[in-house]
Amino acid sequence: DIQMTQSPSTLSASVGDRVTITCRASHSISSWLAWYQQKPGKAPKLLIYKASSLESGVPSRFSGSGSGTEFTLTISSLQPDDFATYYCQQYNTYWTFGQGTKVEIK
Amino acid sequence: QITLKESGPTLVKPTQTLTLTCTFSGFSLTSSGVGVGWIRQAPGKALEWLALIYWDDNKHYSPSLKSRLTVTKDTSKNQVVLTMTNMDPVDTATYYCARRPVSDHFDHWGQGTLVTVSS
Repeated sequence: DIQMTQSPSTLSASVGDRVTITCRASHSISSWLAWYQQKPGKAPKLLIYKASSLESGVPSRFSGSGSGTEFTLTISSLQPDDFATYYCQQYNTYWTFGQGTKVEIK
Repeated sequence: QITLKESGPTLVKPTQTLTLTCTFSGFSLTSSGVGVGWIRQAPGKALEWLALIYWDDNKHYSPSLKSRLTVTKDTSKNQVVLTMTNMDPVDTATYYCARRPVSDHFDHWGQGTLVTVSS
């Protein structure tokens, strides 16, 4: 099994901050990684796929990078709508999600 | 417009079998490369992938749950059905279905359905 580890688990930030979330895979997954945003009581929403491809309709302040075992999701300027939990997901071998990173208001 | 919606019981008893239906529109499960997956989320916990069925009827199951899961499709009804046997209180979760486009991420999700396992 491929394990996905996100850090930090919780992140406190202010509107306008640059935010970076890290996701590490236990084995190389090439670029087969997606990022999702989830708000309370709602389904996850796809933000990034193939490590760095922005899903249609997603604001350009979201970006992804990395390959192999280390990946990052960056929000260039945090907006009020961005306070949520973020999950990475590998799809190199089956599908595995990280444990989530909650972005909360500082 | 692509939509997916899960339906099924909200309460099941321990040892019973859960049957969930995902009804979708806006795409076809006969299109090459397309799939529908099932993912669940226990209260306050992370997402957990369960199963996926492809347009060609190929299927994948979570290794840890494989013995309890079955996924089938009915392309005429635009439905995918997940069955999970021998339900336990630890299976209490919101169950989501989601579309796999040609690549293996999930680009559209249903709203989810909360299933509680309790006697």
